[in-house]
Amino acid sequence: GQQVMQIPQYQHVQEGEDFTTYCNSSTTLSNIQWYKQRPGGHPVFLIQLVKSGEVKKQKRLTFQFGEAKKNSSLHITATQTTDVGTYFCADPLQGGSEKLVFGKGMKLTVNP
Amino acid sequence: DSGVTQTPKHLITATGQRVTLRCSPRSGDLSVYWYQQSLDQGLQFLIQYYNGEERAKGNILERFSAQQFPDLHSELNLSSLELGDSALYFCASSVGRTPEAFFGQGTRLTVV
Repeated sequence: GQQVMQIPQYQHVQEGEDFTTYCNSSTTLSNIQWYKQRPGGHPVFLIQLVKSGEVKKQKRLTFQFGEAKKNSSLHITATQTTDVGTYFCADPLQGGSEKLVFGKGMKLTVNP
Repeated sequence: DSGVTQTPKHLITATGQRVTLRCSPRSGDLSVYWYQQSLDQGLQFLIQYYNGEERAKGNILERFSAQQFPDLHSELNLSSLELGDSALYFCASSVGRTPEAFFGQGTRLTVV
């Protein structure tokens, strides 16, 4: 089935830098979710975006849903070592079904 | 603590064997999802149950099966195990469609 695509798959940044990761779909999404998995841990829900163009902030993290609801972005400001982990976007209604399908994730490493 | 309990945490077994992984969802959650995560791979959706009924199926092998019981706990059965089945298996639960999913700590399966 169609999967959400995440780019880049790997990101290495210097502590204090900003960066953005993207999640793209070829089809219109009903909504999109973001999760974070720390090394050795389990995925933890971060946020859900529902409306076209929606922007939500969590401290240094800014999430945006595209106007066409086909893409989403996660921007992290002033990266810290605590941001290390893999960030996944997920389509909770893939193809109209109830599959909660995840992208392959973006693995973030931070150089202190 | 997500409130989702998976047992066992670790499992080592031989090729050809059969194992059962167990998941207790958060209190009140009716949906249970199962995922497989191999090294450096994303979260592969296996199957989803809602209130005892199968609702969505991913690329789950025929050697794998699952069920959700009346008390809402779920079991994932893996049979005729192969080396390639070694992975981290996660269970997640949610109230229903589209709300955030809460993940358990996972069961690490090693097939030798």
